[in-house]
Amino acid sequence: QVQLQESGPGLVKPSETLSLTCTVSGGSINYYYWTWIRQAPGKGLEWIGFVYYTGTTSYNPSLKSRLTISVDTSKNRVSLKLTTVTAADTAIYYCARDNQDGELDYWGQGTLVTVSS
Amino acid sequence: DIQMTQSPSTLSASIGDRVTITCRASQSISTWLAWYQQKPGKAPKLLIYKASSLESGVPSRFSGSGSGTEFTLTIRSLQPDDFATYYCQQYKRLWTFGQGTKVDIK
Repeated sequence: QVQLQESGPGLVKPSETLSLTCTVSGGSINYYYWTWIRQAPGKGLEWIGFVYYTGTTSYNPSLKSRLTISVDTSKNRVSLKLTTVTAADTAIYYCARDNQDGELDYWGQGTLVTVSS
Repeated sequence: DIQMTQSPSTLSASIGDRVTITCRASQSISTWLAWYQQKPGKAPKLLIYKASSLESGVPSRFSGSGSGTEFTLTIRSLQPDDFATYYCQQYKRLWTFGQGTKVDIK
């Protein structure tokens, strides 16, 4: 059974960089797209971006200038970096697997990141 | 950008009711649409993909239909475990989610 686990700091200061890791277990990271989704408190889901196992990426245009998503196949890990954060970036961040057709079939439990001084 | 609009935003229903949620796309997405269920404090769970295909392990009381710009998620006979928020998602071009429909107890 594929499992995804997000990890990283729960508190980030404004203007600093938010860094998260998604560790994939129970299956290979190869041949899939790995997606980041976020959900602000009490709000809906927002697609952040994805990385293919080859390193190809696609980002939400609204975040593209601040965003880097990368993959480390040797460690079965996907990483997210979001620079110059503000309170508007406070959210639960989820990683999820795209099953190659666009549907998100496995999700991590999510990790809450709060942007505050 | 492809925008997704769900209706209603909130739906009050009773056990055994037939429930229908609608999702409209701002342009045609063929059948590149999925439905997810999210319970408080949990990650979303895939229910339906390609507009009408039931994900493995999902009860058959859930069904999806539609193509182009208009889609529906139907719960045939609402069960206690179904009170949750439901999201549609298009994946014709990148990904966009609807704003969600909360199904609560009448």
